[in-house]
Amino acid sequence: DTAVSQTPKYLVTQMGNDKSIKCEQNLGHDTMYWYKQDSKKFLKIMFSYNNKELIINETVPNRFSPKSPDKAHLNLHINSLELGDSAVYFCASSQASGALNTEAFFGQGTRLTVV
Amino acid sequence: DAKTTQPPSMDCAEGRAANLPCNHSTISGNEYVYWYRQIHSQGPQYIIHGLKNNETNEMASLIITEDRKSSTLILPHATLRDTAVYYCIVRVGRSFNKFYFGSGTKLNVKP
Repeated sequence: DTAVSQTPKYLVTQMGNDKSIKCEQNLGHDTMYWYKQDSKKFLKIMFSYNNKELIINETVPNRFSPKSPDKAHLNLHINSLELGDSAVYFCASSQASGALNTEAFFGQGTRLTVV
Repeated sequence: DAKTTQPPSMDCAEGRAANLPCNHSTISGNEYVYWYRQIHSQGPQYIIHGLKNNETNEMASLIITEDRKSSTLILPHATLRDTAVYYCIVRVGRSFNKFYFGSGTKLNVKP
């Protein structure tokens, strides 16, 4: 029944590897997001997709490539992982991209540790 | 990018009302004020949002000043489980959806 679900919850990997984080929402929303929360606890938006189309890319290195196979899924693929990529990554979704009166729902996060 | 200012931390006694302030002096006429909280490292949880009228739901009340330059989130009877970081967010609009999180207020509810 989880509205926004992410897998895996924890991910430990070595530098240089490629990894993916999956996100699915069952709310029927048309907009999905990826946020990064670093060790200082700042939450920063990375990407936003509306109906499978990228609408926000907040100056994220091109090693990060979001993919949206349908509007219920937004996966995050990361190439050539670096130590600085260690963080908690949150997926979120909201209804109606252009509407300001709708809240976003967040997943429980994926803690990525690069060693 | 965050357009809000909040105190870094606040204490509140259990059972008392917690009043969390937020300044958003550059808010535009069509921008909503949202409040979220994050307990430990869980996903941010939506609390409430408003435009210019005061709002109340089962979790909290939101008081927005008449000039809309500041707001206050009120948890009427704080419990230990309300200990969290509370974020006040002004949502940037037009054709994009952006929830910009600032540094938030760490609310410590004490017995």
